[in-house]
Amino acid sequence: GAVVSQHPSWVICKSGTSVKIECRSLDFQATTMFWYRQFPKQSLMLMATSNEGSKATYEQGVEKDKFLINHASLTLSTLTVTSAHPEDSSFYICSARDERGAGTEAFFGQGTRLTVV
Amino acid sequence: LAKTTQPISMDSYEGQEVNITCSHNNIATNDYITWYQQFPSQGPRFIIQGYKTKVTNEVASLFIPADRKSSTLSLPRVSLSDTAVYYCLLSGSARQLTFGSGTQLTVLP
Repeated sequence: GAVVSQHPSWVICKSGTSVKIECRSLDFQATTMFWYRQFPKQSLMLMATSNEGSKATYEQGVEKDKFLINHASLTLSTLTVTSAHPEDSSFYICSARDERGAGTEAFFGQGTRLTVV
Repeated sequence: LAKTTQPISMDSYEGQEVNITCSHNNIATNDYITWYQQFPSQGPRFIIQGYKTKVTNEVASLFIPADRKSSTLSLPRVSLSDTAVYYCLLSGSARQLTFGSGTQLTVLP
């Protein structure tokens, strides 16, 4: 099946610094990618929809200036957590939609564990 | 956004067949039904997708009644490694993917 690669798998950063997470679709092009956040024992929460060549669409309550999304190519979307704080510590997951199939399947990266100290 | 409802948790024993049902009463005409599996600290893994009737692949079967207001994921002969959270989602061409609470399946020896 289609492969989505997310990097890094885990990162520890100091409060106030910024962290960039990359999401790549390895064997298909993705005009749409999704970014999720997941806290322990909870479900995935959609943060934003990343659209190639245009601005991302953010879910209600997600600060666009804090979570910067760039989808500059059909295979790469990045999420930058700016001025990170301990409450931003979470599991971040991206997904990309394989639109070659009729079902518009979405495949997920392996996730990034962010710890802000 | 379309909402799906699943049982919060299920227990089973090794070698048994497990059926997890998902309700999606307001499914749209262009929605496909997709199931994912998630292990701790990993991204969700695609299991199966269907539109109507029955779909089968090497790991699972998906049963969808004619009204499409529900679906059932069937896992044959589960093993301990099938312990995970299973999510049912609706995915249409213009629909964002929204995760419900999922079903925590625990397979016991």
